[in-house]
Amino acid sequence: SAVISQKPSRDICQRGTSLTIQCQVDSQVTMMFWYRQQPGQSLTLIATANQGSEATYESGFVIDKFPISRPNLTFSTLTVSNMSPEDSSIYLCSAGLAGGPQYFGPGTRLTVL
Amino acid sequence: AQTVTQSQPEMSVQEAETVTLSCTYDTSENNYYLFWYKQPPSRQMILVIRQEAYKQQNATENRFSVNFQKAAKSFSLKISDSQLGDTAMYFCAFMNNNAGGTSYGKLTFGQGTILTVHP
Repeated sequence: SAVISQKPSRDICQRGTSLTIQCQVDSQVTMMFWYRQQPGQSLTLIATANQGSEATYESGFVIDKFPISRPNLTFSTLTVSNMSPEDSSIYLCSAGLAGGPQYFGPGTRLTVL
Repeated sequence: AQTVTQSQPEMSVQEAETVTLSCTYDTSENNYYLFWYKQPPSRQMILVIRQEAYKQQNATENRFSVNFQKAAKSFSLKISDSQLGDTAMYFCAFMNNNAGGTSYGKLTFGQGTILTVHP
């Protein structure tokens, strides 16, 4: 299994600012994903982070709002841009090998004032 | 597209007893995986158990086992000898394993079931 870390674990941000969340995996993985979770609710997939190319976004999520980078097989970042209170949520990254299970980071709790 | 349904928002069980969490799914895919994840209050998502669709034998992991009914598209989780540390939200998840599909590798989650184990 992969061990995944995320930074920061939580943050409180002002409206209109941006926050970049980092996700680091302890081994090379083929697939990395970013999810959003409202407290007490299920997870919604934001995008697939593709190594060396543009991320693939799910319906309702756009690159201008959630730019994602994945420069190598073990690291990815998600930026939440021009934040509003509606962006307050938990953001999780996951990673795994093709055809195998995904493992999750501990999540980043974001509060936008 | 696939959907995953967990019809039990909350469940409770006494310590040392057995509890079963329900999950149904809908898909037209024939190559897929099913998972149960546990999310305790610490919010760390932990993989509990997985089942490959092509395997008829139900997966087991220590106190955790599944009842996989492929024709009925049902995938329930049984927790035996429940422990206080099993208290968490449990998510059933589907993963398409067809490499050529646009949803390959992506997880679709159910709504979750909050399980409380009472002493």
